[in-house]
Amino acid sequence: TQLLEQSPQFLSIQEGENLTVYCNSSSVFSSLQWYRQEPGEGPVLLVTVVTGGEVKKLKRLTFQFGDARKDSSLHITAAQPGDTGLYLCAGDPGGNQFYFGTGTSLTVIP
Amino acid sequence: GAVVSQHPSWVICKSGTSVKIECRSLDFQATTMFWYRQFPKQSLMLMATSNEGSKATYEQGVEKDKFLINHASLTLSTLTVTSAHPEDSSFYICSAPVLVTGELFFGEGSRLTVL
Repeated sequence: TQLLEQSPQFLSIQEGENLTVYCNSSSVFSSLQWYRQEPGEGPVLLVTVVTGGEVKKLKRLTFQFGDARKDSSLHITAAQPGDTGLYLCAGDPGGNQFYFGTGTSLTVIP
Repeated sequence: GAVVSQHPSWVICKSGTSVKIECRSLDFQATTMFWYRQFPKQSLMLMATSNEGSKATYEQGVEKDKFLINHASLTLSTLTVTSAHPEDSSFYICSAPVLVTGELFFGEGSRLTVL
């Protein structure tokens, strides 16, 4: 069951451009996480947000948790080729079960 | 951060055989572990939640008799794909939460190819 819809599904941009990935659901989550995954490897945690309206920054990445804790966004400023990968949001509806979003495959062209 | 390790990383087997994948938490105890399946360029689909000392909880549509899960100790969970068929070929990933922080740590994944 995929409770979380991500958009866009695929994104190809030039180095230096900005982009935003959205993670939406009709369910409320006690926490939401963002991961990046490279081919053949397991996902790597980028950030965890727990409070509605929370904004966290990680260098050129800005994460926001919606006020109602149903959605989140990831904004990347001045994308670099090293940002290429599959970005996944994951929500915990409670009870320590994590459901992943549909994924966004990002390619940054040098 | 916490470390979760999977073994094997790659496995090729003949149709009809069974394959076991191990997931270990190396530096913390995990009463719960999650097993996911992932197809190329797609997201992770939760298959089941492995619980130490009790039966696993399977997601809807996942065959319990096909994907056997055993959580033998606080650091080890295994997924056995029984009577594997080519359509079972996939990337299988496990994860374990660190309950204090709520963070989820993933294994390296196991790529299964069934011939």
